[in-house]
Amino acid sequence: DIQMTQSPSSLSASVGDRVTITCQASQDISNYLNWYQQKPGKAPKLLIYDASNLETGVPSRFSGSGSGTDFTFTISSLQPEDIATYYCQQYDNLPWIAFGQGTRLEIK
Amino acid sequence: QLQLQESGPGLVKPSETLSLTCTVSGGSISSSSYYWGWIRQPPGKGLEWIGSIYYSGSTYYNPSLKSRVTISVDTSKNQFSLKLSSVTAADTAVYYCARLRDTIFGEGPGFDYWGQGTLVTVSS
Repeated sequence: DIQMTQSPSSLSASVGDRVTITCQASQDISNYLNWYQQKPGKAPKLLIYDASNLETGVPSRFSGSGSGTDFTFTISSLQPEDIATYYCQQYDNLPWIAFGQGTRLEIK
Repeated sequence: QLQLQESGPGLVKPSETLSLTCTVSGGSISSSSYYWGWIRQPPGKGLEWIGSIYYSGSTYYNPSLKSRVTISVDTSKNQFSLKLSSVTAADTAVYYCARLRDTIFGEGPGFDYWGQGTLVTVSS
């Protein structure tokens, strides 16, 4: 099984900050990686697919990069409404998938 | 607009079988290029994929749950269902149903539509 390791598990940042979250796969998964945002009490929302493609309607301050085993999710300028938990998810062998452990983002 | 809605008991006794149904509206469950999945989230914890099904009935399960999980589809009712047997307190979670998009119209795979989730508590 492919293991996904997300870091950090939590982070605190100020409005306007650049925020970066990383996700590492235990083996090469090409660009088969998504990022989701989950706000408290809500279902997750797909933000980025194929490691770097923005889902329709998602603000451009969100971005993703990486391939192989190392991936990065970035918020270029943190907004108050971005407070949420973020998850990576691999689909190297769709439809079998796996989620990372999540990163809880708080406002400083 | 596609909508998914989970339904089923909110309380299940230990050792019994958890049963949930997801009703899809605003679109057909028989559409190609889509799978239909179940994901769960224990209180205060992360997301765990349980399994997915294609409209043809082909199923795909998380190896860690495979021995206890059955997912089925009823295309006539536009529904798919989850059964999880021999439950324990560790199965207490919010259970989500979601649509898993395969690559289509240039957009890559992902869970693009989700139900609101339903809390299932395992307790005597």
